[in-house]
Amino acid sequence: GDSVTQMEGPVTLSEEAFLTINCTYTATGYPSLFWYVQYPGEGLQLLLKATKADDKGSNKGFEATYRKETTSFHLEKGSVQVSDSAVYFCALSPPFTNFGNEKLTFGTGTRLTIIP
Amino acid sequence: DAGITQSPRHKVTETGTPVTLRCHQTENHRYMYWYRQDPGHGLRLIHYSYGVKDTDKGEVSDGYSVSRSKTEDFLLTLESATSSQTSVYFCAISEHRLRSAHFGGYTFGSGTRLTVV
Repeated sequence: GDSVTQMEGPVTLSEEAFLTINCTYTATGYPSLFWYVQYPGEGLQLLLKATKADDKGSNKGFEATYRKETTSFHLEKGSVQVSDSAVYFCALSPPFTNFGNEKLTFGTGTRLTIIP
Repeated sequence: DAGITQSPRHKVTETGTPVTLRCHQTENHRYMYWYRQDPGHGLRLIHYSYGVKDTDKGEVSDGYSVSRSKTEDFLLTLESATSSQTSVYFCAISEHRLRSAHFGGYTFGSGTRLTVV
């Protein structure tokens, strides 16, 4: 079945450092790929997405590129801030082949802490 | 975002008692989901619904049941709560893919923290 493997955490960085959180997936065909962010005490929020190979999703300074050849969707940010401290989840949705086949498969999450 | 609300936000209950968690949406989305979040496991799907009275099991459905009698409400019931069901429960909603060119992902509620003692 489909699966998502995320970089183990926790990750601690200094403010303005470069961030990479690795995500690889196993799925048939061309799934859609997502990054969600969860701030303390809140639900998950969609951060960015990509729906086909070589697409780049971006939002709030974060970027991720859909790499079919390496089955990866790594999250990057050039200069992190204290406010980026959160848990980040990588997820995939299967290709649209069936009516109602909309379920997301999530990775286990990576906790990021940014220190001033 | 007021589009999806969960109640209660926190609950402590005793082992063996029934518990019902409610998810309410104002977005008229077809799909609704219940997940549980536990350390080291990420999010795991309990049950989901693809329409009124249409539900199906997820990967961790044992000990849980759901009902959806109206588009806007999706109830999760623990028939007889156990300590292993202590968790944070999230509801999510999504649009049907045919309504948009690509699946846009989920909108999540703020979660219910359930403690079974």
